[in-house]
Amino acid sequence: DGGITQSPKYLFRKEGQNVTLSCEQNLNHDAMYWYRQDPGQGLRLIYYSQIVNDFQKGDIAEGYSVSREKKESFPLTVTSAQKNPTAFYLCASSIRTSGNEKLFFGSGTQLSVL
Amino acid sequence: QKEVEQDPGPLSVPEGAIVSLNCTYSNSAFQYFMWYRQYSRKGPELLMYTYSSGNKEDGRFTAQVDKSSKYISLFIRDSQPSDSATYLCAMSSPSSGSARQLTFGSGTQLTVLP
Repeated sequence: DGGITQSPKYLFRKEGQNVTLSCEQNLNHDAMYWYRQDPGQGLRLIYYSQIVNDFQKGDIAEGYSVSREKKESFPLTVTSAQKNPTAFYLCASSIRTSGNEKLFFGSGTQLSVL
Repeated sequence: QKEVEQDPGPLSVPEGAIVSLNCTYSNSAFQYFMWYRQYSRKGPELLMYTYSSGNKEDGRFTAQVDKSSKYISLFIRDSQPSDSATYLCAMSSPSSGSARQLTFGSGTQLTVLP
């Protein structure tokens, strides 16, 4: 089955700790994205990558880092600099059709602070 | 004022009811409009996509766009308990047509009671 796999489903972070969220896709999509979802708020873009070895900051990149060494993989690291990391994190990839890109999402990772 | 406003709900209806979900927006440059459905603790999935004013129908779902009023709606006919989810509207402008420029509403939580 083609799709986007996020792991783990639940993750707990201790104060001062960096944690890494995994995102793998086998859809052969070039572009990948990380979003943060908080209760009562829309999805907010953290980072995106249009091609391998290139990525750009989104609207709320502070306290996060990413890498894109392979087309299939786009891991997100939540660093200790992110003071309010508790949220639902969504990875997505996209395909362009009819002049617009359509997003396909993974199942998400819930990050909580211990 | 947010660029996209969406009634947060929660909305609870009996099975078989017609459901109306709505978003208003302030950016007249928005031309692409999408509706995503998100089940609890899952990633959003694309439900409807349109780029013109008027109605687009797909089975029990109808997406309506009124650009003059900056108002979009999603109608669900003969609602089923399996339709219980959070519905997110999203939109972007043609200057990019890119997923990185998508603006999401905050989502409306819908429960269809059997």
